[in-house]
Amino acid sequence: GAVVSQHPSRVICKSGTSVKIECRSLDFQATTMFWYRQFPKQSLMLMATSNEGSKATYEQGVEKDKFLINHASLTLSTLTVTSAHPEDSSFYICSAPGLAGGLQETQYFGPGTRLLVL
Amino acid sequence: AQTVTQSQPEMSVQEAETVTLSCTYDTSESNYYLFWYKQPPSRQMILVIRQEAYKQQNATENRFSVNFQKAAKSFSLKISDSQLGDTAMYFCAFILPYISGAGSYQLTFGKGTKLSVIP
Repeated sequence: GAVVSQHPSRVICKSGTSVKIECRSLDFQATTMFWYRQFPKQSLMLMATSNEGSKATYEQGVEKDKFLINHASLTLSTLTVTSAHPEDSSFYICSAPGLAGGLQETQYFGPGTRLLVL
Repeated sequence: AQTVTQSQPEMSVQEAETVTLSCTYDTSESNYYLFWYKQPPSRQMILVIRQEAYKQQNATENRFSVNFQKAAKSFSLKISDSQLGDTAMYFCAFILPYISGAGSYQLTFGKGTKLSVIP
């Protein structure tokens, strides 16, 4: 249980185009999901908190208009990188909290999406 | 604000040996949760072990165990009988309890320790 999927696993796009990344909780409902960005050999950097049925909460320094987040259902959150540029190239990971041994604070992570903008 | 510090950027261990990864954290709260996550070369984040601060007993999961010292705010991970598949980045993480209607589930991560298991 508590499986989170992401699609696509990797994507290459041209500068100026938009890319959508999907994050799904497969066997549980997630009213909250998190989007992280990870640079090579670094830790995860929280970008935003995605809330089902309401606006996402963005961390300081993250451009809301560049990284659009939609959480339209209890099992799906999407991150759209708009007008992507080479500096947006990175590894993007989503996570969702799920019950594990009664501990709802445990988070489960998707496998990540590697974005390369040419 | 909560902080998590992992002071060992890289470590190595011989296969079948034991290794301990260190983690310290800072918080003014008394109830919280601590986790160790593993990120192998595939980059999938995998939960290794978790500890609830109100429990004095150290958590164990097969070859993985923690040494939780609440007063010292220390949460080290011991890997026994190291295997090649243990080669990965290990992240220590902290979270405050979720209170219905007010929680945010936000994890605070350390910078990670790269562990290499040598055949």
